Amino acid sequence: EPEVTQTPSHQVTQMGQEVILRCVPISNHLYFYWYRQILGQKVEFLVSFYNNEISEKSEIFDDQFSVERPDGSNFTLKIRSTKLEDSAMYFCASSEMIGQDYGYTFGSGTRLTVV
Amino acid sequence: EDKVVQSPLSLVVHEGDTVTLNCSYEVTNFRSLLWYKQEKKAPTFLFMLTSSGIEKKSGRLSSILDKKELSSILNITATQTGDSAIYLCAVMPRGNTPLVFGKGTRLSVIA
Repeated sequence: EPEVTQTPSHQVTQMGQEVILRCVPISNHLYFYWYRQILGQKVEFLVSFYNNEISEKSEIFDDQFSVERPDGSNFTLKIRSTKLEDSAMYFCASSEMIGQDYGYTFGSGTRLTVV
Repeated sequence: EDKVVQSPLSLVVHEGDTVTLNCSYEVTNFRSLLWYKQEKKAPTFLFMLTSSGIEKKSGRLSSILDKKELSSILNITATQTGDSAIYLCAVMPRGNTPLVFGKGTRLSVIA
């Protein structure tokens, strides 16, 4: 079964450092998303990406965050200057198109710990 | 603001019991409601419900949407320890807008 792949599975970084989280969506999918889940809290939307541009972003997705699809297969989330409160599980997801009867496929997540 | 509320927040049952998890929502434009199971990491897709009153089934799991009551239930019959997980409810509003998640129900099934 096709999978969304995320790397690394766990990253520890110092406050103020830049991190790049990587995702390989399912190959025929057109819509890509980043969500995050702070420990013990609900899954929150960060950003959606379609046709090589951001289609929607939440209030969380401020100037510290950026997304890219550098080579047609990878989809990356960059946090420029990490803060302690950025510690969370970050999930990438993809979907073929809106309305398909299987929802989104989520990756296994990257646990980011900012110290 | 779109909102999804799940209840109970946690539940402990014995193997063989039947459980019902609840999800209610308030969204400006509703397209679909989704249920996910989250064990260690990634949420895995269970059901997508778009039409009211039509039950979807997968093995011991079933779910139904009530658009009049703005709610959905997820039933698990003959629970097994492998059903222990957090069950997430999410709503997909119309258009290309993101999922809005509830906080989840943590189900623990003990032998």
